[in-house]
Amino acid sequence: DQQVKQNSPSLSVQEGRISILNCDYTNSMFDYFLWYKKYPAEGPTFLISISSIKDKNEDGRFTVFLNKSAKHLSLHIVPSQPGDSAVYFCAALYNNNDMRFGAGTRLTVKP
Amino acid sequence: NAGVTQTPKFRILKIGQSMTLQCTQDMNHNYMYWYRQDPGMGLKLIYYSVGAGITDKGEVPNGYNVSRSTTEDFPLRLELAAPSQTSVYFCASSERRDTQYFGPGTRLTVL
Repeated sequence: DQQVKQNSPSLSVQEGRISILNCDYTNSMFDYFLWYKKYPAEGPTFLISISSIKDKNEDGRFTVFLNKSAKHLSLHIVPSQPGDSAVYFCAALYNNNDMRFGAGTRLTVKP
Repeated sequence: NAGVTQTPKFRILKIGQSMTLQCTQDMNHNYMYWYRQDPGMGLKLIYYSVGAGITDKGEVPNGYNVSRSTTEDFPLRLELAAPSQTSVYFCASSERRDTQYFGPGTRLTVL
């Protein structure tokens, strides 16, 4: 069963505009959510996270929003840059060390 | 600081062969993890360890074994390789249960 879902396999945006990547989850026991970024032939790198007790976390151009009632989170990138082009994974943790990942969304930022 | 290193980068195995994927981290992290990523899918946890001498199963442990004799090393063993184990394998480590640092991956093909 896929407990973390990223329903958009790809997203294309213009440089300077906002990128919004979405993630849905089914397990209400998840208490921590993370976004990872992955370039080809490299391992994922941590981007930003949010605890379930918060609804927003911001780090520079990156903001993550959490809507617990809808079991939905999103990653906003403003402004988008060509170097942001990568695959973005949403991940979730609950009361153990088992991190569940979504299938990823490939973001392309066009100059 | 090399972070998390994995060897080999690529490997082709015949059905029934065995091999060990090596993972080493130099950050003195207690937590270490092995994931696999199949095409178009998110990462799935195979095994993890919360410290030397302690390992536990993740979401997809069948066909694999691990050991953790030191803080730095967390090898993954495939005893009887099967085509279903064709995947990209990522090792990761973390200081806490949340932010994980990933190695560059090992691409394994079983023919």
